[in-house]
Amino acid sequence: EVQVLESGGGLVQPGGSLRLSCAASGFTFSNYAMNWVRQAPGKGLDWVSGISDNGRSAYYADSVKGRFSISRDNSKNTLYLEMNSLRAEDTAVYYCAKDYYGSGINYFNYWGQGTLVTVSS
Amino acid sequence: QLVLTQSPSASASLGASVKLTCTLSSGHSSYAIAWHQQQPEKGPRYLMKLDSDGSHSKGDGIPDRFSGSSSGTERYLIISSLQSEDEADYYCQTWGTGIVVFGGGTKLTVL
Repeated sequence: EVQVLESGGGLVQPGGSLRLSCAASGFTFSNYAMNWVRQAPGKGLDWVSGISDNGRSAYYADSVKGRFSISRDNSKNTLYLEMNSLRAEDTAVYYCAKDYYGSGINYFNYWGQGTLVTVSS
Repeated sequence: QLVLTQSPSASASLGASVKLTCTLSSGHSSYAIAWHQQQPEKGPRYLMKLDSDGSHSKGDGIPDRFSGSSSGTERYLIISSLQSEDEADYYCQTWGTGIVVFGGGTKLTVL
């Protein structure tokens, strides 16, 4: 059974940093691109970042470019999102999503349950 | 610019059928989309990929009650024999080189 499980969310002050993790199981992690998608309270889905199967290509939404960094460790079946210079508008539930393919970013066929990030003083 | 447009809300009666619409921006009629369902307080769930010719491939365990079709820049999600658990938010998603776009979502109420 395919599973992706996010962790690392919490309360952080504006300007602070946080690292999210996503542990994957039930599929060959190194064969698939992975993504982060967020959802602000009461709002819709908002793609944040994606990374290719081998980690060589990373993609970012304009709203997080230069502040967030996506990475992966295929030996640990784990995806990461390093978030710096956090702002109140980054407050959201962050979901990890498995891509259908390995290269580029495409559509997502499995999702996690999310981890809540709250940016507030 | 690649944009997806969805109506904010829809409603239909228990046991009836409903057709949700996702509209691609002008010039993007060849794009495929994916439909995702998000039940209250849960993470999203992948329903299907829908191509411009109307062919679709569903996710694991998605009932036959869910189907899709396409016409021009419009992509449809059809749910038949509505059940109470179908009350949820439905999002369409598309993608290009280095970019992913979501529609604003449609909140479906089952009466």
